[in-house]
Amino acid sequence: TQLLEQSPQFLSIQEGENLTVYCNSSSVFSSLQWYRQEPGEGPVLLVTVVTGGEVKKLKRLTFQFGDARKDSSLHITAAQTGDTGLYLCAGFRGSNYKLTFGKGTLLTVNP
Amino acid sequence: EAGVVQSPRYKIIEKKQPVAFWCNPISGHNTLYWYLQNLGQGPELLIRYENEEAVDDSQLPKDRFSAERLKGVDSTLKIQPAELGDSAVYLCASSSGLAGGDTEQFFGPGTRLTVL
Repeated sequence: TQLLEQSPQFLSIQEGENLTVYCNSSSVFSSLQWYRQEPGEGPVLLVTVVTGGEVKKLKRLTFQFGDARKDSSLHITAAQTGDTGLYLCAGFRGSNYKLTFGKGTLLTVNP
Repeated sequence: EAGVVQSPRYKIIEKKQPVAFWCNPISGHNTLYWYLQNLGQGPELLIRYENEEAVDDSQLPKDRFSAERLKGVDSTLKIQPAELGDSAVYLCASSSGLAGGDTEQFFGPGTRLTVL
């Protein structure tokens, strides 16, 4: 059983479209992180959300942490081809310092 | 400043052979992590070091995997003998301070292992 479920698993859209990807769990997380990974590279941290209900914006990317700290979403406005990559959510639970990753959403933005 | 360095980037071996991966973390980062990433999956932690001490190796298959970080800087992960199911990308990451809820981990590019 995957602790963090990400959906959709694959997403292919045209440049300029908006999209939202989701990260859900039945467990409470003390914080959630979103990473982007490009082919042949390691994941790169985009954002960390800590407080339930928190919303963070990074240019065209908007991240939200659920009120109950069990889920998160990533919304991209006016997607660009450079947004193509694997988006991973990852979380810390309580005092456990192990970072648990979801399987990721593979996003392809077509020109 | 240089990021996390890993070598080799690619390795192809036959099953039952040994293999080793090397990682040099970002200078000054005392926490080092080794992750395994299978195709279509997120990274899974194998081992975490705080300086030279392995503080979490609960996910490391100790019958065939070993790791060391002798001087608290660079680290080596070894598999002996390799099995077909070990084919994956092995990622190294590092962070400053102790692991925690807002810690940023910096990942290397990984070593892609193929076992034939």
